[in-house]
Amino acid sequence: AQTVTQSQPEMSVQEAETVTLSCTYDTSESDYYLFWYKQPPSRQMILVIRQEAYKQQNATENRFSVNFQKAAKSFSLKISDSQLGDAAMYFCAYRVLDTGRRALTFGSGTRLQVQP
Amino acid sequence: EPEVTQTPSHQVTQMGQEVILRCVPISNHLYFYWYRQILGQKVEFLVSFYNNEISEKSEIFDDQFSVERPDGSNFTLKIRSTKLEDSAMYFCASSEGRGRGYYEQYFGPGTRLTVT
Repeated sequence: AQTVTQSQPEMSVQEAETVTLSCTYDTSESDYYLFWYKQPPSRQMILVIRQEAYKQQNATENRFSVNFQKAAKSFSLKISDSQLGDAAMYFCAYRVLDTGRRALTFGSGTRLQVQP
Repeated sequence: EPEVTQTPSHQVTQMGQEVILRCVPISNHLYFYWYRQILGQKVEFLVSFYNNEISEKSEIFDDQFSVERPDGSNFTLKIRSTKLEDSAMYFCASSEGRGRGYYEQYFGPGTRLTVT
């Protein structure tokens, strides 16, 4: 079975600074996706960034980038130039590549606070 | 921008009662999902639904649970005889696509179910 672990229940960052959220996972699959989802208070979860395991290049979306280390089964999220609107719960998630198996496996989440 | 909606936002029910949680997926989406999050725990996959049948389900999704798409817009989760341990936030999600490739899951805001 796949597991996703987020070891940082809470993180804090100053506005305009950079913060890195950690995620590790365990799987026996070779082809899979990894995701970071953001859940603002009382709002729905939205996808921040996606990484395909077969791609060596780390994904980037504007101020958000990942450090994907496949051998180490590590998938961290870096938020640059943090903004007040980045304050949210962040979930790391995993899914196999098989289109018939679309279930997401989530980590326990990291609550990010952004200090003005 | 189209969104997944869920009703009610909060449902309180007594142990042993049946409860139906409702979701309106994004209109052109073909896959529908339910996840739940017990307070303080991980978001867990329950079930996915495609072409009017269950595509995938987890061990949590036992005979007490059922899903249905009663019309062209709603997607429901029924819990036949609620238990205290069913108290959780229930998230609906939907995605496009039935072929190969990646299709993002869009999440609703959740229904908080409290079983007393």
